[in-house]
Amino acid sequence: NAGVTQTPKFQVLKTGQSMTLQCAQDMNHEYMSWYRQDPGMGLRLIHYSVGAGITDQGEVPNGYNVSRSTTEDFPLRLLSAAPSQTSVYFCASSYSYRGRYEQYFGPGTRLTVT
Amino acid sequence: GESVGLHLPTLSVQEGDNSIINCAYSNSASDYFIWYKQESGKGPQFIIDIRSNMDKRQGQRVTVLLNKTVKHLSLQIAATQPGDSAVYFCAENDYDYKLSFGAGTTVTVRA
Repeated sequence: NAGVTQTPKFQVLKTGQSMTLQCAQDMNHEYMSWYRQDPGMGLRLIHYSVGAGITDQGEVPNGYNVSRSTTEDFPLRLLSAAPSQTSVYFCASSYSYRGRYEQYFGPGTRLTVT
Repeated sequence: GESVGLHLPTLSVQEGDNSIINCAYSNSASDYFIWYKQESGKGPQFIIDIRSNMDKRQGQRVTVLLNKTVKHLSLQIAATQPGDSAVYFCAENDYDYKLSFGAGTTVTVRA
């Protein structure tokens, strides 16, 4: 049981390039989400999904796309990278049980846009 | 929008002492709160949670207190150990599975 995995761990992009951050979970969780974390700040929600085929925007969705074709995978696409997207990106999956939501986070992808 | 915040960005604690990390929230409709621990270079890790129908919940060496009157949440760590050095975040559940995170408190344990 690998939990939540993210690839790559590190990435450097030039302004205007596009790329996909991969996220996978093997816990059969319905809910998955993407966050970004900037220095001195908490995590901000980018996009989330409550199940395969269903996605929605979070707090900071501009410049990012997501899709959820399977329960296991939830990739995050940067359409045209900008220096403001330099950040650490975390993927998380969670389940709900009796009103409690326990989120499991991946190890993160550190992205630098030059 | 509503926000969740922590009172102090840093906390230095002597090993063996108890730690108290505070968090203020502004959304009076929030009904579920979670504390996370994030070690350097890693993703956040669930510590303990509490629903709004409770005012205290205990785990192993940790206790979360919720004061709905003043919209205040705290995390108490008993007998702080070097392994407790990390950034601690409080988060509140807006709706569905969405969480809003505070900015975090960095806890440093002195030997």
